Parts: sequence; structure tokens; C-alpha cells
Amino acid sequence: DAGVTQSPTHLIKTRGQQVTLRCSPKSGHDTVSWYQQALGQGPQFIFQYYEEEERQRGNFPDRFSGHQFPNYSSELNVNALLLGDSALYLCASSLAGPSLRYEQYFGPGTRLTVT
Amino acid sequence: AQKITQTQPGMFVQEKEAVTLDCTYDTSDPSYGLFWYKQPSSGEMIFLIYQGSYDQQNATEGRYSLNFQKARKSANLVISASQLGDSAMYFCAMREGRGSTLGRLYFGRGTQLTVWP
Repeated sequence: DAGVTQSPTHLIKTRGQQVTLRCSPKSGHDTVSWYQQALGQGPQFIFQYYEEEERQRGNFPDRFSGHQFPNYSSELNVNALLLGDSALYLCASSLAGPSLRYEQYFGPGTRLTVT
Repeated sequence: AQKITQTQPGMFVQEKEAVTLDCTYDTSDPSYGLFWYKQPSSGEMIFLIYQGSYDQQNATEGRYSLNFQKARKSANLVISASQLGDSAMYFCAMREGRGSTLGRLYFGRGTQLTVWP
């Protein structure tokens, strides 16, 4: 049973460029969340997708956008990259449901470096 | 205000000893869940333990237990019989119950645990 997978593992971009990160959820999961983790910080929530729609969004600018596909996989797009966007981007999948107990399973992350 | 506060940037413990990692939280929602995750240097977040706000007993998972004090809004992680492989960053997180069932996680800044022989 494959867990959450993310690609690419590492990425180096230049300021002003655009980047797309990809995530495949754990088998059986229907919800994907994206988090940004700056060095030495805890993960910060970017947004969450369910039924191919953005359901919740954290305090991130519109340069951050996403998409969820019918197979539940997801993409995170960041436009006009800034040096401050350098971080580990974590994708987490979960199953929508009534229980708060449904933990989010995290992928290994994509390390983005903006130069 | 911070939803999750972890006041210990770093903790050191000798192998086979127990260690407590502190976590306090802030919410007005009576329904919430508290999670602890471990993040090794590889970066992947590993789920350790969960405590629900209505759970009567403290959660336990193997060597991990959660000291849940609801009135004080604290959810400290206790690791018994520490092992060298426990060296990692530990995050406390909360999910609030209000609104949809798809709730986001709020994370603290983490505690770097180092286990020495």
C-alpha cells in the first residue's frame, strides 16, 4: 500500500519563475492538504482540496494556487517566485469524515530553493 | 495568538530514560483533536499519537503517551525508554472541529530532541 508520494524531491528555481509540485495521496484518501515548512519552523497550512475544489486556505497570497484531479492527486503551483518561498513543501492526505481522529499522512516533501 | 505553543526549542535525554515534550494549545472550540508528529532529518512527518478533546483517558501508543490536561490546555508527549532513533524534531498539532470535517492542522514550532548514549 503506497503512502503519499511527492515529486520532485528537490528543485532549484530563480526568482520570478513559476514552479509546479505534485502529490499523490495514500490509497483510499480523498483529501489533500499542502503545507510550507521554512527552515527551523513548523509547517504552515497553504490550502486543502476535496472533491476537486479548494475547501480551506491559509494566509498565503494568490501566487499560490492548486488543483486536484479526479484520481485525487494534486498539484501546487507557485508563480513569481520570491527568495522567501524557499522551503520544504509537504503534501498530506486524509480521508474526509466525521471523526477528528483521521490523521493526515505526510509525504516526504519537496525541497524548493529559490536563488 | 498562537494556536499551538511549544516552548522547548531543544531537549536532551540519555538513552533509556523518559522525556516529556511540552505543548499548550489555544482554542474556543469544544471539539478538537491533538496530534504529535515526529520529523527525522529526512523531512517526512510521522504520526505518533492522537488525543481527542472528549477522550476520557490519556492516549498511549507503545512508548508514547500523552499527558492531556484539558483545563490547562496542555498536551505533553511522554516518550519512555528513549532510543537513539528517537532523535528528531517533534511537532504538536491541533485540528479544530468547527466547520467542515476537513480541518486543517495548526502546528507548533517544534522541539528538537537529541538522545545520547
